Amino acid sequence: DAKTTQPPSMDCAEGRAANLPCNHSTISGNEYVYWYRQIHSQGPQYIIHGLKNNETNEMASLIITEDRKSSTLILPHATLRDTAVYYCIVNTNAGKSTFGDGTTLTVKP
Amino acid sequence: KAGVTQTPRYLIKTRGQQVTLSCSPISGHRSVSWYQQTPGQGLQFLFEYFSETQRNKGNFPGRFSGRQFSNSRSEMNVSTLELGDSALYLCASSLELRANEKLFFGSGTQLSVL
Repeated sequence: DAKTTQPPSMDCAEGRAANLPCNHSTISGNEYVYWYRQIHSQGPQYIIHGLKNNETNEMASLIITEDRKSSTLILPHATLRDTAVYYCIVNTNAGKSTFGDGTTLTVKP
Repeated sequence: KAGVTQTPRYLIKTRGQQVTLSCSPISGHRSVSWYQQTPGQGLQFLFEYFSETQRNKGNFPGRFSGRQFSNSRSEMNVSTLELGDSALYLCASSLELRANEKLFFGSGTQLSVL
């Protein structure tokens, strides 16, 4: 699994876009980028994943750079309920691996 | 469709005992993976089962074991419990063993070892 690096914490104003970066400079050609989030004391929740192209779903958008060495998860209109720890995982197994420390996103009113 | 179900939700054991945790995946899902989450170590991968066979294993001692049944339900067992085994144990299910999959997590079993 490729190593990922995420900032430990970020703040975002409610209603604004939250942009969460992830560096994965050692990513292999067949490894996907997965994002999950965990709200306190609950099981992690799948957000989005991608291989090369940018992806969008009802929760978020995933922007992967052309060289695939970094990506950004975008929550277009953050709400207080988006306050959580966000994990970026890179592997070939649907993200089944040890999660890193993630980024604690705090959405403020 | 019911989500991933883990039982029990809470469990208290004493050192030296053993414990068995249960996980029922989403109907139709064939892969089940287990994780240990502690404040100090984060969310660590234990192992993954598919078609009743262990496919991947994390870096945990042999006291941690698991199995999967023909209906895809899975159990994990921890023998000779230590204080450090106190943690939230999570399981996740996915349809197959492909890379292009989503994981669905249960709410976990909170184990306290006294």
